[in-house]
Amino acid sequence: GDSVTQMEGPVTLSEEAFLTINCTYTATGYPSLFWYVQYPGEGLQLLLKATKADDKGSNKGFEATYRKETTSFHLEKGSVQVSDSAVYFCALREGTGRRALTFGSGTRLQVQP
Amino acid sequence: GAGVSQSPSNKVTEKGKDVELRCDPISGHTALYWYRQRLGQGLEFLIYFQGNSAPDKSGLPSDRFSAERTGESVSTLTIQRTQQEDSAVYLCASSSNTVSSNQPQHFGDGTRLSIL
Repeated sequence: GDSVTQMEGPVTLSEEAFLTINCTYTATGYPSLFWYVQYPGEGLQLLLKATKADDKGSNKGFEATYRKETTSFHLEKGSVQVSDSAVYFCALREGTGRRALTFGSGTRLQVQP
Repeated sequence: GAGVSQSPSNKVTEKGKDVELRCDPISGHTALYWYRQRLGQGLEFLIYFQGNSAPDKSGLPSDRFSAERTGESVSTLTIQRTQQEDSAVYLCASSSNTVSSNQPQHFGDGTRLSIL
């Protein structure tokens, strides 16, 4: 079955540091890939997505590139801020059939001033 | 505009009781999903409704769990004879997804269920 593996947290960084959160996946077809973010006390929000190989999703300074050859979708940001502190979830959705998301276990990011 | 609305936001109940959770999707969204998020873990798929098609119940963990949706409106998730392992945040999401389209899911704030 489909699965998503994320690096374990928490990840603790200083403000303006470079961020990478690793995500790899296993899927039988050609999935779409997503990053969701959950800020403290808030609901889950879509951060960015990519629907096919070599696509780059970007939003709020975050980027992730769909790498089919390495089955990866790593999240990066060049300079994190305290306001980026949240839990980040990598997810996939198969191209056909059931349209539910398969989520990774989440990575907590803590950015210190 | 209104997002996905879930109620109650918090529910505390005794083991063995039945609970009913409600989800109001975004108007016009044909697809509706229920997920469960246990403490410190990712989201687990429970059930998926798409328009008037038969729901995909493949994620329901036991026959104590059931869900209904009338048309493209409100959905209710019912857990009968609750157990302590049912304690989790139950999240609902909706999308304008169709079989051929690829629209993002919009999540509600969830219902935090605690079984004593």
